[in-house]
Amino acid sequence: GAGVSQTPSNKVTEKGKYVELRCDPISGHTALYWYRQSLGQGPEFLIYFQGTGAADDSGLPNDRFFAVRPEGSVSTLKIQRTERGDSAVYLCASSATSGGASEQFFGPGTRLTVL
Amino acid sequence: AQSVTQLGSHVSVSEGALVLLRCNYSSSVPPYLFWYVQYPNQGLQLLLKYTSAATLVKGINGFEAEFKKSETSFHLTKPSAHMSDAAEYFCAVSYTGGGADGLTFGKGTHLIIQP
Repeated sequence: GAGVSQTPSNKVTEKGKYVELRCDPISGHTALYWYRQSLGQGPEFLIYFQGTGAADDSGLPNDRFFAVRPEGSVSTLKIQRTERGDSAVYLCASSATSGGASEQFFGPGTRLTVL
Repeated sequence: AQSVTQLGSHVSVSEGALVLLRCNYSSSVPPYLFWYVQYPNQGLQLLLKYTSAATLVKGINGFEAEFKKSETSFHLTKPSAHMSDAAEYFCAVSYTGGGADGLTFGKGTHLIIQP
C-alpha cells in the first residue's frame, strides 16, 4: 500500500520568504509527527498531532513555525520569514495509534534550502 | 528528559564480519527503544523495537538488539555483514509517559562495509 508521502521533495527559497511543506500520512493513521533533520544529525522532533489537534508542539523552535491538520489526515508545516538556519530535511511520520511504543512510518522528507 | 548517545559516527566492517553499533540512552522512566535505518534518498525504516517484553529483540534483515537496563544500552548487532547493510543507522527512544510521543534520536552511525 501507499506509504507516507511528502511534497515537494525539494524546496529552495530566499531568506525572509514563507514556505509550506505538505505531508500525506498512511490512510487511517491517526497520529502524525513532524521532525527536522539537519546535516549530520539525527531527526529532531517538532510537533505531534493526534487527529486534528496538536497534542505536543514542544519541539517547534519558535513562533515562525506552525503546523495544521484540519481534517485529521493531510498536514502542512508552515514556516514564516525563513532563515538560513532553517535549511534542513523536514520529515513526516505517521502511526496507526498514539503511544510511545507505536511504530512510526516515515516519508522521504522535504529538503528545504534557504538562500 | 531523555537522550540517546550513539558511539562512533562512522563504523567500518568487512563483508561477513560482525556488525556492532552502540547505543546508550538516558531516561527517567522506562523507555521504549528503536533502531531505524536510512538508505540514501529514502525514508527511515524501522529495524526493530523494544517495548518491555523480551530483552533480546530480533528485527528485519538479520539484525537484533539487546536491552540492558543495568548498562542503559541497546546495542545493535548482526552476525555477518552484507554489502547491502551500508546505510545510516539511528537509535531512538520514547517513553511510557502519556502525551509526548515524539521520538528522541541519536546522531546516527554511518555503517561502511568493506568488500
